[in-house]
Amino acid sequence: QVQLQQWGAGLLKPSETLSLTCAVYGGSFSGYYWSWIRQPPGKGLEWIGEVNHSGNTNYNPSLKSRVTISVDTSKNQLSLKLSSVTVADTAVFYCARVGVGAARPLDYWGQGTLVTVSS
Amino acid sequence: QSVLTQPPSASGTPGQRVTISCSGSSSNIGSNAVNWYQQFPGTAPKLLIYSNNQRPSGVPDRFSGSKSGTSASLAISGLQSEDEADYYCAAWDDSLNGFYVFGTGTKVTVL
Repeated sequence: QVQLQQWGAGLLKPSETLSLTCAVYGGSFSGYYWSWIRQPPGKGLEWIGEVNHSGNTNYNPSLKSRVTISVDTSKNQLSLKLSSVTVADTAVFYCARVGVGAARPLDYWGQGTLVTVSS
Repeated sequence: QSVLTQPPSASGTPGQRVTISCSGSSSNIGSNAVNWYQQFPGTAPKLLIYSNNQRPSGVPDRFSGSKSGTSASLAISGLQSEDEADYYCAAWDDSLNGFYVFGTGTKVTVL
């Protein structure tokens, strides 16, 4: 059974860099893309980007200038960095596996990490 | 930055059929398959429908999906109280360098 466990700093000040890590347990790590998604309190889901085991990435155009997603295949982990955060970046952040098929379904999700940006 | 439009809310009584629409464009739904997610308060979303109309193992068959042109729909037949949740459609968008887009979300209430 595939499990995703994520962690990172939960409270940041404006202009700081958000940093989260997601560890994958069970199943194959190298055969998939892995995504980050965020959800501001009371609002909808927003895709941030994805990475595969080779480090190939795709990013949301609206966040691309501030986002870096990377992998550590030796630990089956992916990481998210979001620079120059503002209050508007306050959200629950999720990691997820991109399942097989052209539809690219997000079939396994982490538990979510609330990141609050406040001065 | 949602580019897929859903009604904010839908409701029905137990046993009724509820349908949620998802409207997109030629660069997303018109070109790619649609997935649907179910989310309960305080929990991570769960994949409900993939590739327009496929159910993952364990999803009840009262949930069904369809797609036509640049729109998609999720139907819940025989609505149950435990179906009260938020529902999101999603699809890959081929514009720019490609990215994944979610719908605006629909809150389903069981009356």
